[in-house]
Amino acid sequence: IVLTQSPATLSLSPGDTATLSCRPSHSVGGHYLAWYQQKPGQAPRLLIYGTSSRATGIPDRFSGSGSGTDFALTIRRLEPEDFAVYYCQLYGSTPLFGQGTRLDIK
Amino acid sequence: QVQLVQSGAEVRKPGASVNISCRTSGYTFTNYYIHWVRQAPGQGLEWMVFINPSDGFTRSGQRLQSRVAVTRDTSASTVYLELSSLKSEDTAVYYCARGPYDIFSSYFDSWGQGTLVTVSS
Repeated sequence: IVLTQSPATLSLSPGDTATLSCRPSHSVGGHYLAWYQQKPGQAPRLLIYGTSSRATGIPDRFSGSGSGTDFALTIRRLEPEDFAVYYCQLYGSTPLFGQGTRLDIK
Repeated sequence: QVQLVQSGAEVRKPGASVNISCRTSGYTFTNYYIHWVRQAPGQGLEWMVFINPSDGFTRSGQRLQSRVAVTRDTSASTVYLELSSLKSEDTAVYYCARGPYDIFSSYFDSWGQGTLVTVSS
C-alpha cells in the first residue's frame, strides 16, 4: 500500500479552511488513520487518531474524516501557528506514513 | 507528564553501527509500545520498528529488517535502537515514539526530541 497526500503544498491565508487529502492505493477497510503536524526542527505532534478522534489538547478546529481510499484532515479558521507540514499515517503492524503536505502562508 | 528523552547526536563511518537510547518517564513503561521513526534531511517520516517493552517482542519493516535491533531495560524504562552496517542514506533524525499496547493500533502520541545520526567517511 502507498499513501498519497495531496496537495504537496497548500498556500492559504489565516482564517481560511484547509483540506488535506490522504489516499491509500488500496482500500484499507476498517484500518484507521492518524494525522501529525511537524514544524521545523521539532518532532511530529499527534493531531488525530482513529481517523477522527482529536488528541489531547488539539483544538476542535482540527477534524479528521474518511474511510476506504479517501481520508481528509480539515483545519478551519487557520491561525498563524497552523502553518507547518502535515503527515497522515496508516495503522497496522508495520505503520506507513504519507509523504506530507506543506501548508504555507499565502 | 509523559517524557521520552533520547541520547545525543552521533557521527559514524559507513559500515559502522550506532546505538541510540530513549529513556521514558511519566507512565508505566510496560503498558505502551515504543516505536522508532526516522526522517532523512528534508524528507518525510519512515517507520522502522517497534518493541513491546513487556516481553521484548519486536517487529521491523522489511527494508531495514536485517540491520535493525531494538532492546529494552525495564529497570531503567529505556529502549535502545541499534542500526548496523550504516550507509550514507541512513543519515537522518531518529525519533522514538510511544504507541498503544496494541500491535494494530499503531499511532504515536508522544515523541522523543530526536537524535541526529550522520554517516560520513
